[in-house]
Amino acid sequence: DGGITQSPKYLFRKEGQNVTLSCEQNLNHDAMYWYRQDPGQGLRLIYYSQIVNDFQKGDIAEGYSVSREKKESFPLTVTSAQKNPTAFYLCASSRSGQGTYEQYFGPGTRLTVT
Amino acid sequence: LAKTTQPISMDSYEGQEVNITCSHNNIATNDYITWYQQFPSQGPRFIIQGYKTKVTNEVASLFIPADRKSSTLSLPRVSLSDTAVYYCLVAQNNAGNMLTFGGGTRLMVKP
Repeated sequence: DGGITQSPKYLFRKEGQNVTLSCEQNLNHDAMYWYRQDPGQGLRLIYYSQIVNDFQKGDIAEGYSVSREKKESFPLTVTSAQKNPTAFYLCASSRSGQGTYEQYFGPGTRLTVT
Repeated sequence: LAKTTQPISMDSYEGQEVNITCSHNNIATNDYITWYQQFPSQGPRFIIQGYKTKVTNEVASLFIPADRKSSTLSLPRVSLSDTAVYYCLVAQNNAGNMLTFGGGTRLMVKP
């Protein structure tokens, strides 16, 4: 089955700790994205990557970091510098290049920081 | 990116047709209109995309008038399982494939 997976589904951390969220896709997509969603709100873009070893900041990148060492993987680290990290985090992937391509989303990771 | 405006919420009953209208007054020539559906605690799912006139697939139709300043997502004969948030987005036809999600429309289908 081709798809995009995120793990874990639920994650609990203490304030001041860094935490890394996993995102893997086997759709052979070049582009990958990380979004954050707060209750009752739409999605906001954190980081995106259009090709391996390259990524750009989205609208709310402060307090987050990413890496793109492999085409299939785009992990997101929520650092202690993120002021309000509790949220629902969604990873997506798509074809890249000129055009408007459907984004395929993972099931999400719900992070709770106390 | 063009901003979109859509109703915050809508109610409907099973078996009815639901039309959700989205306005995008500042849409650019090379922008496409795209709709996603999101169930609680899940990632959004692509529904339909169009540039002008009418597009239809197995789940929905998208109507876009000639001026392209608005669009209407039409869901025929909704069921309880269509209860979800529906997002209207304007996607630029250029490298980057960037999407900007607004608040969406919460559709509640009642029995």
